[in-house]
Amino acid sequence: GENVEQHPSTLSVQEGDSAVIKCTYSDSASNYFPWYKQELGKRPQLIIDIRSNVGEKKDQRIAVTLNKTAKHFSLHITETQPEDSAVYFCAASKGSNYQLIWGAGTKLIIKP
Amino acid sequence: DAGVTQSPTHLIKTRGQQVTLRCSPKSGHDTVSWYQQALGQGPQFIFQYYEEEERQRGNFPDRFSGHQFPNYSSELNVNALLLGDSALYLCASSSGGQSINVLTFGAGSRLTVL
Repeated sequence: GENVEQHPSTLSVQEGDSAVIKCTYSDSASNYFPWYKQELGKRPQLIIDIRSNVGEKKDQRIAVTLNKTAKHFSLHITETQPEDSAVYFCAASKGSNYQLIWGAGTKLIIKP
Repeated sequence: DAGVTQSPTHLIKTRGQQVTLRCSPKSGHDTVSWYQQALGQGPQFIFQYYEEEERQRGNFPDRFSGHQFPNYSSELNVNALLLGDSALYLCASSSGGQSINVLTFGAGSRLTVL
């Protein structure tokens, strides 16, 4: 079945710098790739997603890139701010008849 | 517009007891998924309900069961509780078709089993 690996498990960056989190998936049939942000003690929230017919998607300071050939996708956060500190989860799905398969999460720490 | 609401927010049970957790989906959503999130871990998929039927199930034992009502709200039941069932239980709702995996989460029900 599908497997999603996420790296790094912890990422510490200086405020204002960029952060990149990477995920790889095993099933080439996967076609939907969301990213969720979970602040401490709060619910996961969808921050951006991408479908397999698109290579890149941006929303203000965040972007997601997808490389279908290599089967990996990445979350990019530019000009990081203290409120970006959270755990970020990637996920993948083969379509509406299949569940999301989640990565293990990346704890992002923004140093002042 | 209320988002996904879950109840209760916290509860404590003892081993062997049974628990029922409740979820009301976001307005306009007809699909409900349940997840278990242990401390420091990612969400683990339990099952998904659509049109009052369980349409997908993760790797959880039969002690975990659910129900969806005609108004799209849902319940998660766990029987014969084990210490390892202590976790945050998250409900997520979505609309159908291509958006079925675009999830809106509730705040969760934190279950402690003693």
